Amino acid sequence: NAGVMQNPRHLVRRRGQEARLRCSPMKGHSHVYWYRQLPEEGLKFMVYLQKENIIDESGMPKERFSAEFPKEGPSILRIQQVVRGDSAAYFCASSPGENTEAFFGQGTRLTVV
Amino acid sequence: QQQVKQSPQSLIVQKGGISIINCAYENTAFDYFPWYQQFPGKGPALLIAIRPDVSEKKEGRFTISFNKSAKQFSLHIMDSQPGDSATYFCAASRGAGNMLTFGGGTRLMVKP
Repeated sequence: NAGVMQNPRHLVRRRGQEARLRCSPMKGHSHVYWYRQLPEEGLKFMVYLQKENIIDESGMPKERFSAEFPKEGPSILRIQQVVRGDSAAYFCASSPGENTEAFFGQGTRLTVV
Repeated sequence: QQQVKQSPQSLIVQKGGISIINCAYENTAFDYFPWYQQFPGKGPALLIAIRPDVSEKKEGRFTISFNKSAKQFSLHIMDSQPGDSATYFCAASRGAGNMLTFGGGTRLMVKP
């Protein structure tokens, strides 16, 4: 059973471009969580999704950021018109249920130049 | 109200020593307190977790102490080893959910 798979591992975007980060949860996991980790800081919760539904997006910036978890395929975190301040590591975690242990992927490191 | 404060930011311990990392929280609705270990280039991995109905939990060399009245909890790593060198994060959530509020992290270095 493969772990949580995130791709790409590293992503470089120019200011103003779009970034798409993908997360394939562990087999049997229908709950996905996205976190952002700025350099030298802890992780900050962004959004919690269950298949086809956004459960909680209280940590998502109001503009330029969106997330989805379709019925088929990976969860996608989309950042439009990226700015330098979006440079960070973005981690996805998945769990089989709401209050069961979540497992983290290795993250996508986004660099905006 | 949602913050979790962690200290120290960095810690150097000799092999065989005890590593102690402290966290304090504000939100009394938190009822699940996990600790995560993160190696460079990797995602965080759950190390040990505690609920407020117990004051201490031990798993191998790792122990969590919890003080509900002070709203503080700490991680003790006994007999610290160089392989324990990593960044440690405390976290908290409500209802054991995975919408976690993380502390700022402690970078631990265990010297041989």
